[in-house]
Amino acid sequence: GAVVSQHPSRVICKSGTSVKIECRSLDFQATTMFWYRQFPKKSLMLMATSNEGSKATYEQGVEKDKFLINHASLTLSTLTVTSAHPEDSSFYICSAAGTSGSNEQFFGPGTRLTVL
Amino acid sequence: AQKITQTQPGMFVQEKEAVTLDCTYDTSDPSYGLFWYKQPSSGEMIFLIYQGSYDQQNATEGRYSLNFQKARKSANLVISASQLGDSAMYFCAMREGIISNFGNEKLTFGTGTRLTIIP
Repeated sequence: GAVVSQHPSRVICKSGTSVKIECRSLDFQATTMFWYRQFPKKSLMLMATSNEGSKATYEQGVEKDKFLINHASLTLSTLTVTSAHPEDSSFYICSAAGTSGSNEQFFGPGTRLTVL
Repeated sequence: AQKITQTQPGMFVQEKEAVTLDCTYDTSDPSYGLFWYKQPSSGEMIFLIYQGSYDQQNATEGRYSLNFQKARKSANLVISASQLGDSAMYFCAMREGIISNFGNEKLTFGTGTRLTIIP
């Protein structure tokens, strides 16, 4: 299957700082990327959908000013958690869909964010 | 109403036995797709199997098969001859609407089932 990478895999930051997470499709063009959040032992909750070159569509209850999503190219989307607080600590996973030749989404390995 | 329901929070199965993980779904859209993913402790989401709403045959992929009962709106995952490496969280997911060839419709996930294989 197609490969999606995420960077960093793990990040620890102080409360009040901003953290950027990158999601890259390595061997296909991702016209659409999705960002999910997963609390421990819980399901994946979709945060937003981003299409290359346009503004992201956020799910209800997700603060767009808090979680900034940029999808400036067909291989890269970024999620920036602004002014992070301990309650933002979570596992963030991206997935990508596009010209891979498959009708499935391909998931990145996830980023574990811990805010102190 | 929940779109995807997984009623088994945890299951313990003896190695080499078959296991069925339950999934029911709720949609009024005639076009939808159902997915199963495996999530080991490392956190990555591993695609296992896919069933489209118009597919006539139940999907199979190696040791994985999907028992698709459209009238009952259920899409249970069957793992044959379970192995220790099958221990993980398993998520059922659905996407609704016109199914493109590009996978760019959003997925809704169930709450998952934690499967533990006992040696």
